Amino acid sequence: GAGVSQSPSNKVTEKGKDVELRCDPISGHTALYWYRQSLGQGLEFLIYFQGNSAPDKSGLPSDRFSAERTGGSVSTLTIQRTQQEDSAVYLCASSKGGELFFGEGSRLTVL
Amino acid sequence: GQNIDQPTEMTATEGAIVQINCTYQTSGFNGLFWYQQHAGEAPTFLSYNVLDGLEEKGRFSSFLSRSKGYSYLLLKELQMKDSASYLCAVRSSASKIIFGSGTRLSIRP
Repeated sequence: GAGVSQSPSNKVTEKGKDVELRCDPISGHTALYWYRQSLGQGLEFLIYFQGNSAPDKSGLPSDRFSAERTGGSVSTLTIQRTQQEDSAVYLCASSKGGELFFGEGSRLTVL
Repeated sequence: GQNIDQPTEMTATEGAIVQINCTYQTSGFNGLFWYQQHAGEAPTFLSYNVLDGLEEKGRFSSFLSRSKGYSYLLLKELQMKDSASYLCAVRSSASKIIFGSGTRLSIRP
């Protein structure tokens, strides 16, 4: 595609529910990153995929968070049993070795 | 581990010059990025430094000193539209990219 596409753009859920956030990177980009940004804060690294290598999951805040990348393209970030502190914008970015190209993000609100 | 420090907020005057500093500590270094982020929008790429020295791109310049773990972003001829957050990010040797907390720049007329 022309750019990084994320869906949904907005998600409101109840505490305890599971959510899935999707990222469709730029075609041909081998690297894919997920970040979390709370209001007025910087970008918190969550997870990084590079080609067929094992992902770097060192930023995932708890075992409620997981991500996968199928076929080296689309990625899904799953948050189980959501908590209010999970409310944030989740940003996905892709790269082919240089700068990151960001999607518009998925804004998650946990009530 | 990695640690990136930059000032939380800065204010500057339209038409002036401002320098935003970034210091970092990282296990393995493979480049430093600067991004601009307007409120409610995704970050957009400004510059990338991997070797020491100054990279100039129009009104924006970025400097890197690897021995000092230091970079700065220089914005010249400030315009009101430059009001945004500026994010410093470091890529480790494993290509993991970590961002600082960002510097919120306000431009006054």
